[in-house]
Amino acid sequence: SYVLTQPPSVSVAPGQTARITCGGNNIGSKSVHWYQQKPGQAPVLVVYDDSDRPSGIPERFSGSNSGNTATLTISRVEAGDEADYYCQVWDSLYVFGTGTKVTVL
Amino acid sequence: QVQLQESGPGLVKPSQTLSLTCTVSGGSISSGDYYWSWIRQPPGKGLEWIGYIYYSGRTYYNPSLKSRVTISVDTSKNQFSLKLSSVTAADTAVYYCARGSRFGELPIDYWGQGTLVTVSS
Repeated sequence: SYVLTQPPSVSVAPGQTARITCGGNNIGSKSVHWYQQKPGQAPVLVVYDDSDRPSGIPERFSGSNSGNTATLTISRVEAGDEADYYCQVWDSLYVFGTGTKVTVL
Repeated sequence: QVQLQESGPGLVKPSQTLSLTCTVSGGSISSGDYYWSWIRQPPGKGLEWIGYIYYSGRTYYNPSLKSRVTISVDTSKNQFSLKLSSVTAADTAVYYCARGSRFGELPIDYWGQGTLVTVSS
């Protein structure tokens, strides 16, 4: 089965940039989607198809995907960005990453 | 704006069958553009896709759960449902219904709020 590996946690100061990686075998050949999940809430789509943003998602959220790593970048981090983030691909079924907790210092 | 809402018992006994229903509003399940999924998340853990259904009744399940899962649809009520049999404590999770696509060519763009199901005697 296809495995997506994320770092368990990322810490970042307000105003700085957070980068969350998602590793998978030749993930660059797949479309990667990213979800933000705050405590007690359902996930929210923040980036789709590697680098596109749904309406209403700030431009501070961006994505890239190449080789064996996809990356979600959050620029000018705000306190409200503190959440768990999951990457996701399709590999004969929906596969989610292990999740990364972003802490704003 | 599409909205999804899960409903069903919050407590199920071990070895019994978990049953949940998802009611879709703001759009028709029968529109044909989407596949309707169930996804779960054990407390403090990550997301696991359970399976999906098309309005025609076509289903596809996660192989890891396939032997215990049944997903059905009621287009007249704009609902789809999940049954998970022979549950154990490992099936304790928040269960989400969500909207996606057949081959994942679209992201999961709408989620229900989730419902916690606890398996305990």
